[in-house]
Amino acid sequence: GQNIDQPTEMTATEGAIVQINCTYQTSGFNGLFWYQQHAGEAPTFLSYNVLDGLEEKGRFSSFLSRSKGYSYLLLKELQMKDSASYLCAVRDPDNTDKLIFGTGTRLQVFP
Amino acid sequence: GAVVSQHPSRVICKSGTSVKIECRSLDFQATTMFWYRQFPKQSLMLMATSNEGSKATYEQGVEKDKFLINHASLTLSTLTVTSAHPEDSSFYICSGQTSRGPYEQYFGPGTRLTVT
Repeated sequence: GQNIDQPTEMTATEGAIVQINCTYQTSGFNGLFWYQQHAGEAPTFLSYNVLDGLEEKGRFSSFLSRSKGYSYLLLKELQMKDSASYLCAVRDPDNTDKLIFGTGTRLQVFP
Repeated sequence: GAVVSQHPSRVICKSGTSVKIECRSLDFQATTMFWYRQFPKQSLMLMATSNEGSKATYEQGVEKDKFLINHASLTLSTLTVTSAHPEDSSFYICSGQTSRGPYEQYFGPGTRLTVT
């Protein structure tokens, strides 16, 4: 089967840097997504990685290592509004239209 | 970016009644739409994949006769929860998939269903 692991909860301080890890075990790989979801709202797209390396987008960066089945989302200069759940998702190798989501990491940013 | 709307945002219904939720892609055509449900503090669980003009594909364990999905056009998919029960209370989220790479999914704002 396919499996995605993320830490359940993390805390950090405003202005700091936080790294949210995601490991996956799938029978194939066709891309990994990160989404941000505030409580009671829909997920919003943050990043997409299909090749190894770092993708930087403003305060957010995402890294992928396909050989290790590992990705992380790096959030810099944390703001209070970054308190949210961060969902790691990979394409289902059996049906690349579908996404398989991890359980999500709830990040709380404190002043 | 691509925008997906859902209606209603919140609905309360009595046990045994049916509820219809609409999902619309506002500024793009979504040949494929997805329906998820999410319980509190949990991640998204895919219920079904909806392709325009064809029958939906349901995930294992999802009753297709209970959760009726219709994808009549490239911009509209509907989910009808039939004979709703309190255990159907959940956050239902739809998404539309773009036809251009990287084919990411854009999510609607979700519908909070409460069955009393």
